[in-house]
Amino acid sequence: DAGVTQSPTHLIKTRGQQVTLRCSPKSGHDTVSWYQQALGQGPQFIFQYYEEEERQRGNFPDRFSGHQFPNYSSELNVNALLLGDSALYLCASSLSGSGANVLTFGAGSRLTVL
Amino acid sequence: RKEVEQDPGPFNVPEGATVAFNCTYSNSASQSFFWYRQDCRKEPKLLMSVYSSGNEDGRFTAQLNRASQYISLLIRDSKLSDSATYLCAVTRGRTSGTYKYIFGTGTRLKVLA
Repeated sequence: DAGVTQSPTHLIKTRGQQVTLRCSPKSGHDTVSWYQQALGQGPQFIFQYYEEEERQRGNFPDRFSGHQFPNYSSELNVNALLLGDSALYLCASSLSGSGANVLTFGAGSRLTVL
Repeated sequence: RKEVEQDPGPFNVPEGATVAFNCTYSNSASQSFFWYRQDCRKEPKLLMSVYSSGNEDGRFTAQLNRASQYISLLIRDSKLSDSATYLCAVTRGRTSGTYKYIFGTGTRLKVLA
């Protein structure tokens, strides 16, 4: 049973560039959430996708955008990169429903902005 | 004030010790509660869900106090392998069948030989 897979695992960009991160959810999951985790901090909620729509959003600027595809996979795009965007970006999947289901995380994409 | 707050630690304890972590949340509408474990430079992994009645999984016991809006995690007979960061998470705001998970900053535990 494949878990959550993310790519790339590491990447280095320079200020002003754009980046796209990809996520395939765990088999059977239909909801994807993205988190940013800076060093020494907890994961910060960016947004969540369900049925190919952004359903919930955290306090992140419009430079952060995303997409969910019909196969439930998702992309996170960040434009006009800033030094402060350097972080571990975690994708987590879950199954929608009447109860709050457990999040399963991918190993993350570590972004360094120079 | 953050919605979910934890003491960042680090908690340095000897092997065999009992250690307790607390986590407070500010939104009384929070619905579900979890403890995650995160090893250094790895992704968070679910340790246990937290129920109002309290629940136990081996050496780990979790409690929820809705009136005071905090959850706790007790680790008995600490092992070296318990060294990690422990994140608490709460959910709220069901929208179109989905829940938003909010995490605390995490509490670092170091178990010493």
